[in-house]
Amino acid sequence: AQKVTQAQTEISVVEKEDVTLDCVYETRDTTYYLFWYKQPPSGELVFLIRRNSFDEQNEISGRYSWNFQKSTSSFNFTITASQVVDSAVYFCALSDAYNTDKLIFGTGTRLQVFP
Amino acid sequence: DTGVSQDPRHKITKRGQNVTFRCDPISEHNRLYWYRQTLGQGPEFLTYFQNEAQLEKSRLLSDRFSAERPKGSFSTLEIQRTEQGDSAMYLCASSLVQGATGNEQFFGPGTRLTVL
Repeated sequence: AQKVTQAQTEISVVEKEDVTLDCVYETRDTTYYLFWYKQPPSGELVFLIRRNSFDEQNEISGRYSWNFQKSTSSFNFTITASQVVDSAVYFCALSDAYNTDKLIFGTGTRLQVFP
Repeated sequence: DTGVSQDPRHKITKRGQNVTFRCDPISEHNRLYWYRQTLGQGPEFLTYFQNEAQLEKSRLLSDRFSAERPKGSFSTLEIQRTEQGDSAMYLCASSLVQGATGNEQFFGPGTRLTVL
């Protein structure tokens, strides 16, 4: 069965601190995709990144970076120099590669960034 | 690109009533998904359409739930004889699939249902 675990329920930081959100996944598939979505207080899920199982290169986009390690089944997300606008719930998700593309989400990590 | 829209944004109903939600995907997107999100949880997959064909339904989708996408454009999700346990945010997402998998899904703002 496929599963995504986000063990951190809530994280609080002060602005400009770096923060890492953990994501551990389980799947028997050899081909799969991992995603991160942001859900701000307005409620709409915003896509941040997609990574396929064959691409273990880390990725950096501005203040965001992602560390994908197949050996530990983890896909962690780091925000550098956090800002108040980063406050949101962040979801890690897994999708299969066998046509449906349905997303299996973790329970999310609520990030609060205080000024 | 006007994004995915959902209507209504909020719905309050009494137990036993029927409700219907609408989702308008991004215009050229051929796939449409419905998810349900309860408080403190991640979204859970309910069903999806490829054009007008409903290809998969989750076990979460009881017989009281029905979804349609009659012309492969907008979709409706109906819940009959609502129960308090149906209270949740219902999210719609769409994607453009052209052979490859792992496609990004674009989400709408959701419909928050409260069953009294």
